[in-house]
Amino acid sequence: AQSVAQPEDQVNVAEGNPLTVKCTYSVSGNPYLFWYVQYPNRGLQFLLKYITGDNLVKGSYGFEAEFNKSQTSFHLKKPSALVSDSALYFCAVREGYNFNKFYFGSGTKLNVKP
Amino acid sequence: SAVISQKPSRDICQRGTSLTIQCQVDSQVTMMFWYRQQPGQSLTLIATANQGSEATYESGFVIDKFPISRPNLTFSTLTVSNMSPEDSSIYLCSVHSAGGPGTGELFFGEGSRLTVL
Repeated sequence: AQSVAQPEDQVNVAEGNPLTVKCTYSVSGNPYLFWYVQYPNRGLQFLLKYITGDNLVKGSYGFEAEFNKSQTSFHLKKPSALVSDSALYFCAVREGYNFNKFYFGSGTKLNVKP
Repeated sequence: SAVISQKPSRDICQRGTSLTIQCQVDSQVTMMFWYRQQPGQSLTLIATANQGSEATYESGFVIDKFPISRPNLTFSTLTVSNMSPEDSSIYLCSVHSAGGPGTGELFFGEGSRLTVL
């Protein structure tokens, strides 16, 4: 069965420090992996994706994510956190052959303190 | 990226009533997706709406409770019928990116936040 796990409900980090939001996945076949961010009272905004190629992908707002096939992980990272990065982050995986079926993690609330 | 508009953005509804949510996309798309995000939880796919055919519902969701219309390639509606407090959620409309489903991420509307009293 396909699934996504975000083991941390909440991540707290000081502004200027690096941040990591964790995601592991389980999918049959090659995974298509995504990160989204949700600000309060807003829809989901796409940050970045891994389809194939380099394991380190770069996305919007200075975020990047590293695909690790052996650990089935796709952790979101940013070298220097901003207070404005505080939001809810969702990891998602899609089966390679089923374009319409996305599986979302439970979400991680990122708190960046000044 | 697609621009997706949803109406209403939020509403407070009485138990037993029905509410229709509208989703308008600024480009023609084959498939539109409706998701539910219950308070503090992740997203769950309700159904996929194709123009000219009946929507395809995911396990746990039925047409009588969540009827969907898809009259053209840029518009869809989701009705939440006979609402109960358990239906209090954010309902999100989404479409594939312009790159198409083969490579694409989903784009989401701003969501419709329903509170059922």
